[in-house]
Amino acid sequence: GAVVSQHPSRVICKSGTSVKIECRSLDFQATTMFWYRQFPKQSLMLMATSNEGSKATYEQGVEKDKFLINHASLTLSTLTVTSAHPEDSSFYICSASYSGETQYFGPGTRLLVL
Amino acid sequence: QKEVEQNSGPLSVPEGAIASLNCTYSDRGSQSFFWYRQYSGKSPELIMFIYSNGDKEDGRFTAQLNKASQYVSLLIRDSQPSDSATYLCAVSSGGSNYKLTFGKGTLLTVNP
Repeated sequence: GAVVSQHPSRVICKSGTSVKIECRSLDFQATTMFWYRQFPKQSLMLMATSNEGSKATYEQGVEKDKFLINHASLTLSTLTVTSAHPEDSSFYICSASYSGETQYFGPGTRLLVL
Repeated sequence: QKEVEQNSGPLSVPEGAIASLNCTYSDRGSQSFFWYRQYSGKSPELIMFIYSNGDKEDGRFTAQLNKASQYVSLLIRDSQPSDSATYLCAVSSGGSNYKLTFGKGTLLTVNP
């Protein structure tokens, strides 16, 4: 149980384009979903927390207009990286929680912006 | 600033030995503690969590929590080469959104 999927697993795009990443909880309803970013050899950095039907809460230093998060249902959250630039290249990972604190992670999306 | 500290390693142990991974945290209000395993290039997977002082065992894994010392550890018994990964300690202070603060992780290598 507690399976989380992400799509796509890998994306390469040109600088200036927008990229949408989907996060789905497959076998449970996620009351809260989290989006993280991880640079090589670094730990996970929380970008934002989202609850179904409400606006996402962004961490300090994360631009909400650049990283658009939509939590449309209890099983789906999307992260859109708008006008992506090479410095946005990273490993983006979502997690979902249904019981409160325990977070279950998706497999991650590797973004490369050329 | 809430901090979670881990020795980055690498920690090398021979196959069959006990691997001991340690974590300290700065926020005394922390309530829940998690250990995740992350293989290279993959996302983290939950190993176990602990809420109360003392030991919690799950198969070959034992989590130990000492809130007075702000210290949490993970023991891996009978270590296997497949246990080679980065182990992330994560701490939650509770609240309405259950955010986790992660340490940078300890790289464990189990040598055959």
